[in-house]
Amino acid sequence: KAGVTQTPRYLIKTRGQQVTLSCSPISGHRSVSWYQQTPGQGLQFLFEYFSETQRNKGNFPGRFSGRQFSNSRSEMNVSTLELGDSALYLCASSLEGGGSLAEQYFGPGTRLTVT
Amino acid sequence: DQQVKQNSPSLSVQEGRISILNCDYTNSMFDYFLWYKKYPAEGPTFLISISSIKDKNEDGRFTVFLNKSAKHLSLHIVPSQPGDSAVYFCAARSSNTGKLIFGQGTTLQVKP
Repeated sequence: KAGVTQTPRYLIKTRGQQVTLSCSPISGHRSVSWYQQTPGQGLQFLFEYFSETQRNKGNFPGRFSGRQFSNSRSEMNVSTLELGDSALYLCASSLEGGGSLAEQYFGPGTRLTVT
Repeated sequence: DQQVKQNSPSLSVQEGRISILNCDYTNSMFDYFLWYKKYPAEGPTFLISISSIKDKNEDGRFTVFLNKSAKHLSLHIVPSQPGDSAVYFCAARSSNTGKLIFGQGTTLQVKP
């Protein structure tokens, strides 16, 4: 069974631009969560999608948004990029997510650099 | 407000000895705790978990201990191997919200 895939793996953008990241979960997984990893901050939860609906949201500004498609694939969008948005963006999928105890399986991440 | 804290950014251990990674949390609603391991250029991989109804869970060389009164958990690796060198994240979740909250990570280096 294929793992979680994320595209692109690396991305360089300039301040003010917008970016879209893509995540394909493990086949059969319906929950997709997004995290931002920066040095010293660990992994910070962005949001979780389940059956095309945002079920949980972290403490990030409205510039960060996402969506999930009927095939469970998810995209994350960041508008008006700032230098501080430079980070590794990780996507994780699980069977149910939310209150379930199912473990999450992570993709390799997209390394975003904002210049 | 950092609800899950890993106060040691790094740890260095000799091969064959015990590695102890620590994690503290503040939210008493957390009822499920997990440890993930992360190698460079890869996403985190699940290592071991523990429910709040237990105080210990063991899987091979890895044991997680939970002290609810102290809001503290630890991961023991015995014996440590060079391949264990990675960043270790602890994470906590409450079944109310389902959100997984991660600590900042501890970089473990196991020296041959």
